[in-house]
Amino acid sequence: QITLKESGPTLVKPTQTLTLTCTFSGFSLNTSGVGVGWIRQPPGKALEWLALIYWDDDERYSPSLKSRLTITKDTSKNQVVLTMTNIDPVDTATYYCAHRRRYCSSPAFDCWGQGTLVTVSS
Amino acid sequence: QSALTQPASVSGSPGQSITFSCTGTSSDVGDYNSVSWFQQHPGKAPKLLIYDVSNRPSGVSNRFSGSKSGNTASLTISGLQAEDEADYYCSSYSSSSVRGVVFGGGTRLTVL
Repeated sequence: QITLKESGPTLVKPTQTLTLTCTFSGFSLNTSGVGVGWIRQPPGKALEWLALIYWDDDERYSPSLKSRLTITKDTSKNQVVLTMTNIDPVDTATYYCAHRRRYCSSPAFDCWGQGTLVTVSS
Repeated sequence: QSALTQPASVSGSPGQSITFSCTGTSSDVGDYNSVSWFQQHPGKAPKLLIYDVSNRPSGVSNRFSGSKSGNTASLTISGLQAEDEADYYCSSYSSSSVRGVVFGGGTRLTVL
């Protein structure tokens, strides 16, 4: 059974750097085809994809946020970490990590964490 | 990359069939089988309903089906039930952004 859980600060001040950790079980990021993505959702708004990392260290980023994002993986700890620099109140959102189903032609995020609400405020 | 276009809301009565649309471009929705659909109930994480345009993960009801024509994908729910009331999002890879991911703006389904 695949599970994922996001962790990190619930309150961040503007201009700070946000670091979120996704701890997962039930799969390995060493396995061919596997990926883990980050998606966020501002209160009352739509889903927004942020970043995706694959088993082979391939990294993909949202073009609009690419300069502020870094995604890394630690396969020994079964964790994926997302950092976002220069945080702004518009970054207030629930942040989800999700497992991407292997060898699909579409972004098949088949298992999601519960999400963590991050509020940006001074 | 722009978000995929979805109608803001749709409504239907129990037992009816309802179809959601998701319009993109030849660089995303129109590109191969690059469409997934997600269901999200209030306060919950999204759930994968359809991947690769028309495939259902195990455990997803066969009342949900997906299709695509050109740059527009569709999700159909047959035999509408009260529990289907939720937000529905489409998603695709975008070849215009080095195979990044793009989501639609979501459609709110109201079961009357």
